[in-house]
Amino acid sequence: QQQVKQSPQSLIVQKGGIPIINCAYENTAFDYFPWYQQFPGKGPALLIAIRPDVSEKKEGRFTISFNKSAKQFSLHIMDSQPGDSATYFCAAGSARQLTFGSGTQLTVLP
Amino acid sequence: DAGITQSPRHKVTETGTPVTLRCHQTENHRYMYWYRQDPGHGLRLIHYSYGVKDTDKGEVSDGYSVSRSKTEDFLLTLESATSSQTSVYFCAISDRTQPANYGYTFGSGTRLTVV
Repeated sequence: QQQVKQSPQSLIVQKGGIPIINCAYENTAFDYFPWYQQFPGKGPALLIAIRPDVSEKKEGRFTISFNKSAKQFSLHIMDSQPGDSATYFCAAGSARQLTFGSGTQLTVLP
Repeated sequence: DAGITQSPRHKVTETGTPVTLRCHQTENHRYMYWYRQDPGHGLRLIHYSYGVKDTDKGEVSDGYSVSRSKTEDFLLTLESATSSQTSVYFCAISDRTQPANYGYTFGSGTRLTVV
């Protein structure tokens, strides 16, 4: 089974802190690695994504770091805000299908 | 979410009854997916479709069937609902014609309770 392992399960940081969420995948054929953000009662929404030909991608306060040799990637949230409190999912896959991690519940304290 | 709607939003049903959830899109995307979301399990793929009448099973397909007779509609049927199928169900759509379009757009979900 093509798993994507995500950690930690939950994370609490102070406002302005830099939470880091990590994911590891198994299938070397995967070529697309997105992160999704989900607020309570809503569907997940695409936050940022990276392809394996780059090691880092930044969009606003959100950065993905990608380590192809280790088959790991992570999400960093710079200057985190209480409004960033949500559940974050990593995913990995290819043209036909994505496999999702189990999710990280992030709480940013004011 | 714009372009994708799920119905109903909430449903309570009895064990053993059939239930059909509907996903409707206006984006003309080829790919559609059904996921279930449960605490500690994240999003798990139930079934997916690559086009009209072209469907395949995901990792948790037992007890579920799907149909796609039109590009815009993807139906998920619980053939005989069980309490283990109590969950939040999400539909997703994707263009996936180019790598930049691999991302999914999710619906708002259907909260199903089987009693």
